Amino acid sequence: DTEVTQTPKHLVMGMTNKKSLKCEQHMGHRAMYWYKQKAKKPPELMFVYSYEKLSINESVPSRFSPECPNSSLLNLHLHALQPEDSALYLCASSQQREVYSPLHFGNGTRLTVT
Amino acid sequence: AQKVTQAQTEISVVEKEDVTLDCVYETRDTTYYLFWYKQPPSGELVFLIRRNSFDEQNEISGRYSWNFQKSTSSFNFTITASQVVDSAVYFCALSDQDTGRRALTFGSGTRLQVQP
Repeated sequence: DTEVTQTPKHLVMGMTNKKSLKCEQHMGHRAMYWYKQKAKKPPELMFVYSYEKLSINESVPSRFSPECPNSSLLNLHLHALQPEDSALYLCASSQQREVYSPLHFGNGTRLTVT
Repeated sequence: AQKVTQAQTEISVVEKEDVTLDCVYETRDTTYYLFWYKQPPSGELVFLIRRNSFDEQNEISGRYSWNFQKSTSSFNFTITASQVVDSAVYFCALSDQDTGRRALTFGSGTRLQVQP
């Protein structure tokens, strides 16, 4: 079983909806990440939080809004998405945001935008 | 800038065959880390191994082994006596300082299908 829990597993939303993806880890990790993965492609980094502060935003459109309420939780708020935003959204955590820290991934949320 | 190349898009083998997944990387940093992840159909990426740039010792873990060669900038992964449960997409990834970004660069992945 993964130690990074993502909910929901599947989400279908219309272009006018507002929804949130949730991620939780209890490993005491201080860095958390959102990745987007399209079919047959590698994961693409979206956001990185380190000690609950946003460290990296990979020029992600503002319709994606991350939030890190505490060291265990990471949310991704979605608003006015486009069909091309349909993808697998993966959350990950690592002990520190250092080059040597392996990432631990959740099972992902499979998002479909209609 | 860093880059990871996995030239094999898809590999199909029959159970019990050995299979090697290739990974070639580029980086200007002298200190870097290489990783392999497995992504089964369930979607989760599973961390398999980490290797730092100063440790060229090969590693074996059960049926898995890794061959790191700095001279050829390669970090290849071999599965011995493959099993159907090994069917997954395997990603090689590089992490270096890259002007402070310190984020993983993934290769494009190799889809391994093990037929019974």
